[in-house]
Amino acid sequence: GAVVSQHPSRVICKSGTSVKIECRSLDFQATTMFWYRQFPKQSLMLMATSNEGSKATYEQGVEKDKFLINHASLTLSTLTVTSAHPEDSSFYICSARELLSSYNEQFFGPGTRLTVL
Amino acid sequence: EDKVVQSPLSLVVHEGDTVTLNCSYEVTNFRSLLWYKQEKKAPTFLFMLTSSGIEKKSGRLSSILDKKELFSILNITATQTGDSAVYLCAVEDYSGAGSYQLTFGKGTKLSVIP
Repeated sequence: GAVVSQHPSRVICKSGTSVKIECRSLDFQATTMFWYRQFPKQSLMLMATSNEGSKATYEQGVEKDKFLINHASLTLSTLTVTSAHPEDSSFYICSARELLSSYNEQFFGPGTRLTVL
Repeated sequence: EDKVVQSPLSLVVHEGDTVTLNCSYEVTNFRSLLWYKQEKKAPTFLFMLTSSGIEKKSGRLSSILDKKELFSILNITATQTGDSAVYLCAVEDYSGAGSYQLTFGKGTKLSVIP
C-alpha cells in the first residue's frame, strides 16, 4: 500500500524559533498533499492544500505567512511553522493523494507532535 | 456550523458487545464518505463509501451509506479491547478548481473493557 512518511515525529522548540516538518510519499507520486492540525481531543482540521509546483491554498483562519508550505516535487511537501508560539503546539498530520489513483484516496503520514516551550 | 456530525462522542462497552457509530453530514458536492480509526498517531483507513445501500465489510467491521438521509453507520461486532480507539468519519466534497477535500467529524471515542 501507499506509504507516507513525516519527519520529525516529535519536536520540542523554544518560542520564537521556526520548525520545518517534511512529508514524503515513499512509493507513489502525489498530485496533492494536505496539511492538518489536531489539538488534543479534537478532530483533524484542514490547514492547507498544496499542489506540486503551485502555491498552497489555505483554509480560512490559517495564516499563510506563519505556516509556510512548499510542495517542491511530487513526493515532498514541507510545512514550516515560523516564529512558533506555545499555542502552535499541536499534532500536525500530512496526507497525500496519489497521482494515478482512481479513488483519489488520501494516505496519511504518521504525524508530527510539536511542542513549543 | 458543523458539516460532519458524529455520535455518540464517546462510548464504553464490554468485550463481545456490538456497537454502532453514527455519522451525519451536510455538504454541497458530495463525493465520498470515509471512516478512519485513530489510535495514538495518524488515522488509518477503514472504508470509503460512495454509493447508497451497499455495505462494505472487513472482518468484524461493516459500514453503509444512506445518501438520501445523509448519514452513515459503522458497525463493530464482537468488540475486542484492540478496537478501543477514536473512530473518525470524513466527507469528501468538491471544493472548486478540480480539488476535493476532506472534512472530519469530531470522532467517537470507543473504549472496550475486558
